Amino acid sequence: DTAVSQTPKYLVTQMGNDKSIKCEQNLGHDTMYWYKQDSKKFLKIMFSYNNKELIINETVPNRFSPKSPDKAHLNLHINSLELGDSAVYFCASSQGLRTGNTEAFFGQGTRLTVV
Amino acid sequence: RKEVEQDPGPFNVPEGATVAFNCTYSNSASQSFFWYRQDCRKEPKLLMSVYSSGNEDGRFTAQLNRASQYISLLIRDSKLSDSATYLCVVNRNTGKLIFGQGTTLQVKP
Repeated sequence: DTAVSQTPKYLVTQMGNDKSIKCEQNLGHDTMYWYKQDSKKFLKIMFSYNNKELIINETVPNRFSPKSPDKAHLNLHINSLELGDSAVYFCASSQGLRTGNTEAFFGQGTRLTVV
Repeated sequence: RKEVEQDPGPFNVPEGATVAFNCTYSNSASQSFFWYRQDCRKEPKLLMSVYSSGNEDGRFTAQLNRASQYISLLIRDSKLSDSATYLCVVNRNTGKLIFGQGTTLQVKP
């Protein structure tokens, strides 16, 4: 029933590990995003995909690799985790923000803690 | 300088009060404007879009001043359930939402 669902909700891992976060949306949207919310609460876009095609790639370390097997899924894989990667990662989807006043729907977030 | 700036607060107000939040944006190419609400440890959710002519949704009124690059949100008759962080958001129609830091509101009984 959930519109945008991401797993896991919590992730605690050691430095140097590789981890993945999965995201799925059942809204039929064309566009999906990954946002990072740091300890200062700023939400910053990391990636955006439109119909499985990467359209936004902010200045994110290449340890972060998004993958979109189809337009309903956008996963985030992170290699060699660092302490500074600790944050809340939000997946979101929309019908297409390029068309103007279109709402973005967010998943519940994945709280990543690197120790 | 951040592209979208907000006073982080917190704003502590009694129930029934009227409270206003302001936001400025630096990029004149910004096309679409929104207020999102984020409850503690939850995801952001759209509160309302902001239109040039100003718009109202119940107790909430949003205003946009393109000349001054300024957006506001007015909440009348505050309820305890209004306690949250209010995020000012702009979109240049590039597919990227730019979020402000958020303004925290705490409504007290």
